[in-house]
Amino acid sequence: QVHLAESGGGLVQPGKSLRLSCVAAGFSFGDYSIHWVRQAPGKRPEWVAGVSNDGNNVDYADSVKGRFTVSRDNSKSTVNLQMHSLTAEDTALYYCAKGLMVSGFVEDCFDSWGQGTLVTVSS
Amino acid sequence: DIQMTQSPSSLSASVGDRVTITCRASQAIDNSIGWYQHKRGGAPKLLVFAASNLQAGVPSRFSGSGSGTDYVFTINRLQAEDFATYYCQQFYASPVTFGQGTKVEIK
Repeated sequence: QVHLAESGGGLVQPGKSLRLSCVAAGFSFGDYSIHWVRQAPGKRPEWVAGVSNDGNNVDYADSVKGRFTVSRDNSKSTVNLQMHSLTAEDTALYYCAKGLMVSGFVEDCFDSWGQGTLVTVSS
Repeated sequence: DIQMTQSPSSLSASVGDRVTITCRASQAIDNSIGWYQHKRGGAPKLLVFAASNLQAGVPSRFSGSGSGTDYVFTINRLQAEDFATYYCQQFYASPVTFGQGTKVEIK
């Protein structure tokens, strides 16, 4: 059974940093891309960042490019999202999600999602 | 970015009804669309991928169709557990983008 579990969310002041983690289990982790998708209250989901199965390729939404960094450790089945210079617009529930296709990358849909971790940016 | 326009934004239906949701992409997306179910407090669940392929374990009352820019998601014989919000998502080009959602409520 595929399982994804996010952690690291919380209340943070504008301009500060936060690191989210996603631990995966139940599948061959090194075969699939992993993505971060966020959803602000009342808004549609927004793809934030993705990392390829081998970690060699990453991609970001324009809204976070230069501020967020995604990385993975296949030995630990973990993906991290380092977030800097946070603003109120980054407030959302952050999900990690598994790509559907073996060795797929950003042009993919997501067949398993975690429960999400809430990030609130406020002074 | 490819814009996904989903309609309706909400609908009321009864158990046993047929429900249809549409998504229109701002450009042709070559069947690169997925449909998700999202219940409050839960994780989104992929139901259909590549326009018409049912994800493993998903009941056959769910289906998808379409081509080019216009896609349709259908629930036949709506069940009580189907009341949720549904989203489309294009994965033709980065960044992947989602529709604004359709909330299916009990009439």
